[in-house]
Amino acid sequence: AQKVTQAQTEISVVEKEDVTLDCVYETRDTTYYLFWYKQPPSGELVFLIRRNSFDEQNEISGRYSWNFQKSTSSFNFTITASQVVDSAVYFCALSEASRGRRALTFGSGTRLQVQP
Amino acid sequence: DGGITQSPKYLFRKEGQNVTLSCEQNLNHDAMYWYRQDPGQGLRLIYYSQIVNDFQKGDIAEGYSVSREKKESFPLTVTSAQKNPTAFYLCASSIRLYNEQFFGPGTRLTVL
Repeated sequence: AQKVTQAQTEISVVEKEDVTLDCVYETRDTTYYLFWYKQPPSGELVFLIRRNSFDEQNEISGRYSWNFQKSTSSFNFTITASQVVDSAVYFCALSEASRGRRALTFGSGTRLQVQP
Repeated sequence: DGGITQSPKYLFRKEGQNVTLSCEQNLNHDAMYWYRQDPGQGLRLIYYSQIVNDFQKGDIAEGYSVSREKKESFPLTVTSAQKNPTAFYLCASSIRLYNEQFFGPGTRLTVL
């Protein structure tokens, strides 16, 4: 069975602080994809990143960075110098490409509140 | 302007009524999906479609039905058999089944 755990239900930081959102996943498959999505108050999910299981290189995109570690089954997301506009619910998701697994399994999400 | 549209944004239904939620995409994506989100929770997969005229049940398909007669459209019907239909419904699409999904703005359904 595949499972995604986001243990942090809610995080509150002050603007300009760095914040890391944790994601731990479980899968028996060797080929899988990991995703992060942002859900602002409007409700629409915004795609942030996809990482496949064969690519452990960390990625940086502006103030966002992702740390993928297969050894600990984690795919953590860091926001540097947080801003009020970063306030949202962030979801980590997993998809197994083989064995016919067909769609995303989402974690329960982490609500990030950035205070001015 | 490419994207996914869902209508209506808010929907109210009386108990015992069927209701259909619309989802249209002009991204030329093959795969489409329906998710349900309850307050404070993640998304759960209702149905998905890999190609036209084909669809598969997700984790919580009971009480729902779909059709995929056109590539651009994937409507979801919430039937009276769905015991607790009040939720936020999100439609998504992707180029292929395992690619990143792009989401519509959602429909908030309330059963009165």
